[in-house]
Amino acid sequence: SAVISQKPSRDICQRGTSLTIQCQVDSQVTMMFWYRQQPGQSLTLIATANQGSEATYESGFVIDKFPISRPNLTFSTLTVSNMSPEDSSIYLCSVEGEGRPNEQFFGPGTRLTVL
Amino acid sequence: GDSVTQMEGPVTLSEEAFLTINCTYTATGYPSLFWYVQYPGEGLQLLLKATKADDKGSNKGFEATYRKETTSFHLEKGSVQVSDSAVYFCALTSSGGSYIPTFGRGTSLIVHP
Repeated sequence: SAVISQKPSRDICQRGTSLTIQCQVDSQVTMMFWYRQQPGQSLTLIATANQGSEATYESGFVIDKFPISRPNLTFSTLTVSNMSPEDSSIYLCSVEGEGRPNEQFFGPGTRLTVL
Repeated sequence: GDSVTQMEGPVTLSEEAFLTINCTYTATGYPSLFWYVQYPGEGLQLLLKATKADDKGSNKGFEATYRKETTSFHLEKGSVQVSDSAVYFCALTSSGGSYIPTFGRGTSLIVHP
C-alpha cells in the first residue's frame, strides 16, 4: 500500500486568495488524482495528474481555477485560485494501488475554509 | 452513467448492535464494488471489495455480498464498536473503462457506548 501525506492539513483563507496543497507519496506512481469532498457530499474527481503531461480535468473543473503540477513521480500540487466560500471543502489526493489498479489509496485530506 | 446510492445518515447505534448500510448501484457490464471508510480527520481507506457476482468481501468483521440480481452491495457487521464510528462510502469501478471509482454520498455511523 502507498503512504500519502498532504500539507497543509487545514487552512482558513480569505476570499480572493489562492492556496496550494501539496501531496507526497512514499513510492513512485504513474497517476495521481485530486478529489473534492464538499460538506455532506460524495467525493468528486477534479483531475488526474500524470508526470510529464498536463493534468486531465473533469467536467466542471478548469485549469485556471485548479492548476495542478506534477514535477515527479512522487509529488503533486493542487492550487485553489481566487477562492470563494463555495470552495470550502476537503481536498484529497489519491493514487492507485501498485499492481492493484482497482483500489485507491487516499491522503488524509486538506480541510479548507474560505471566509 | 454509473451511479451509487447509499442510505441517508447518520446511522446511530448502541455498541454491539447489528449494522446494515444499504448500497445500490447502476452500471453497465460487471463493475467491481467497494466499501471505503473515513475515520474522523483522516482520508478514505479501503475496507473491503468484491469483483464479481456473489463474491463476499470481508474485513474487520464487516461483510458485503455482490448481488447482481438486486444491484446491491449492502455493508453489514454483527456487533459494532464505538471505534467503528466513521463515514462509510460505497463505490464502484466500471468493467470496461477507467479504474477511477464512482462514489456514493457516504453514510455517517455513530456508535454509542
